[in-house]
Amino acid sequence: DAGITQSPRHKVTETGTPVTLRCHQTENHRYMYWYRQDPGHGLRLIHYSYGVKDTDKGEVSDGYSVSRSKTEDFLLTLESATSSQTSVYFCAITPSGGGEQYFGPGTRLTVT
Amino acid sequence: GENVGLHLPTLSVQEGDNSIINCAYSNSASDYFIWYKQESGKGPQFIIDIRSNMDKRQGQRVTVLLNKTVKHLSLQIAATQPGDSAVYFCAETITGNQFYFGTGTSLTVIP
Repeated sequence: DAGITQSPRHKVTETGTPVTLRCHQTENHRYMYWYRQDPGHGLRLIHYSYGVKDTDKGEVSDGYSVSRSKTEDFLLTLESATSSQTSVYFCAITPSGGGEQYFGPGTRLTVT
Repeated sequence: GENVGLHLPTLSVQEGDNSIINCAYSNSASDYFIWYKQESGKGPQFIIDIRSNMDKRQGQRVTVLLNKTVKHLSLQIAATQPGDSAVYFCAETITGNQFYFGTGTSLTVIP
């Protein structure tokens, strides 16, 4: 499972509230990613990190922010959740510069 | 974003037959092409990747073929088993930093 955990695994929140999702890895990989998965869209990159305090935007970054203060933790924050952010969120790591990418178990977020 | 697409959203095969799942991509600059398997309620699972300078790569019961002329990628699964039933995604990466995924093909294995 590449030592990736996500918390919480399920969350229901109200529109307008802040939400933080956590991704934790145990193997000190440099690259970490946040994706969302929605029917008909596949996986879409929100943000990624290439080191502590080094992050960059993906294709669907609006409404999301991230932080990485330690190698092992990558946080995704929805500053003010909207119903369009209802989705399944996956964290991933890349152990090398190639094509391999390993995913966490996902967080199902519902914004009511 | 990139245009990575799978040809068929669903595929049904008999147990023991070979499965072929196809994918088209649009960016000739991609370095790696990757296949993932996703079972219901779980995260995607890496199956196999192929570098852009290769045409074919084999793994355990799986083979990935890359045709750069027509920008086509395929995953072949030999002797398909019920445990192979899942959604399969192709993906490409250009810089090794950003990955672009297709929408997936749902494979159903008929016992």
